[in-house]
This record gives sequence, structure tokens and C-alpha cells, in this order.
Amino acid sequence: QVQLQESGPGLVKPSQTLSLTCTVSGDSISSGYYYWSWIRQPAGKGLEWIGRIYKSGSTNYNPSLKSRVTISVDTSKNQFSLRLSSVTAADTAVYYCARDKDWRGFDPWGQGTQVTVSS
Amino acid sequence: DIQMTQSPSSLSASVGDRVTITCRASQSISSYLNWYQRKPGKAPKLLIYAASSLQSGVPSRFSGSGSGTDFTLTISSLQPEDFATYYCQQTYSTPIFTFGPGTKVDIK
Repeated sequence: QVQLQESGPGLVKPSQTLSLTCTVSGDSISSGYYYWSWIRQPAGKGLEWIGRIYKSGSTNYNPSLKSRVTISVDTSKNQFSLRLSSVTAADTAVYYCARDKDWRGFDPWGQGTQVTVSS
Repeated sequence: DIQMTQSPSSLSASVGDRVTITCRASQSISSYLNWYQRKPGKAPKLLIYAASSLQSGVPSRFSGSGSGTDFTLTISSLQPEDFATYYCQQTYSTPIFTFGPGTKVDIK
């Protein structure tokens, strides 16, 4: 059974960098043929796809966030990570990681982690 | 950018009801449309991919249809565990994905 678990600070100060890690179990990032994505959902708003990475390190980002986002992968730890720089209150959201099957959808997802941007 | 809309934004229904949720794309997306279920505090769950293909393990009371710009998710007989929020997602413009705003299904 494939499981994903997000981890990282729940509180980040404005202008700083948000950093989250997603640990994958039950599947190998390095031997599979999937992408691995980050998605977020601010309270009361819809889901927003942030970006994704392939095992090779190739990335795709949402154009609206591209200038501030970096996604990286550590295949030795079976993890991938998100960094979002220069955060503001608008970046407060529940952040999810997911296995990305491209046109076949995101499955499974992690439980999500709440990140609040506040001083 | 492809914009996704859903209707209704919320609905109240009873156990056993047939429920239909509509998703519309701002341009044709062929059949590149997925549906997700999200319950509070839980991971979103993929229900339907490619407009009408049932994800493994998902009950057969869930079905999807449509192509082009108009899509529907149908729950044939609503069960207590189906009260949740449902989202559509277009994957036509991969790798840029967009979601609909969601439809909340609650108990009448």
C-alpha cells in the first residue's frame, strides 16, 4: 500500500522560506514511472497545483508560483521536497503531496499538513 | 489558462438519493477530467479518471460521464460515507493542472 506523509514546520514567518518534505512508502521514487506533485488548499478556497518532479529531477511548476518554488527529490531517502520563498499570508494553506499519474490523476495523496504564515 | 467551474457549489441530500454534480471547462479538454472526494482531515481520494474510468477500489455507485467541456459525477445511491466535498480536475493542459472549486454534499 502506497503512503505519503508530509512533514515540516507548521508556522513560517512572512518573507521567509516554507520547506516541506514528503516521505513515500510502499513505492520507490527511483524505480517507478510516476511524477510526484505538491498541491495546496487555503482555507475556504479551492485546490491549487504547485508543481511536480520526476525521478530524474525534471520539474514542472505552476506559472503563478514558478518564481518562488523549488521542488527537489532525494531518491536515496525516497523523499521529495518543496521550498516556497518569500511567503506571505496568502501562502497559508494545507499542503498535500501526491503521486502524480499525469492524465490519470493524483493517487494516493498524503494527509496534508497545515502551514500558517504569520509573525 | 483552462478554468473549471462546478455546480452546484453545495447540495443537501438524503441517504439513498441519486446525486449528480456538474463540472464545466472553459475550453474543450476531451476526456482529460478526473474527480476527487475530500473529507475533513483526510487525504483527497481519486474516484474517477479520464472522465469515466472508475479508480480501483472505488464503489460502483460512483460514475462519471462527459467529454469536451461538460462532465458529470453521479452517485447512484448516496451512502453515509459519501458526505464530502467533490472536486473535478482537468489534465488536458498537462503539466499545468487546474481544479474546480468543489461541491459540498451534506446531509438533508
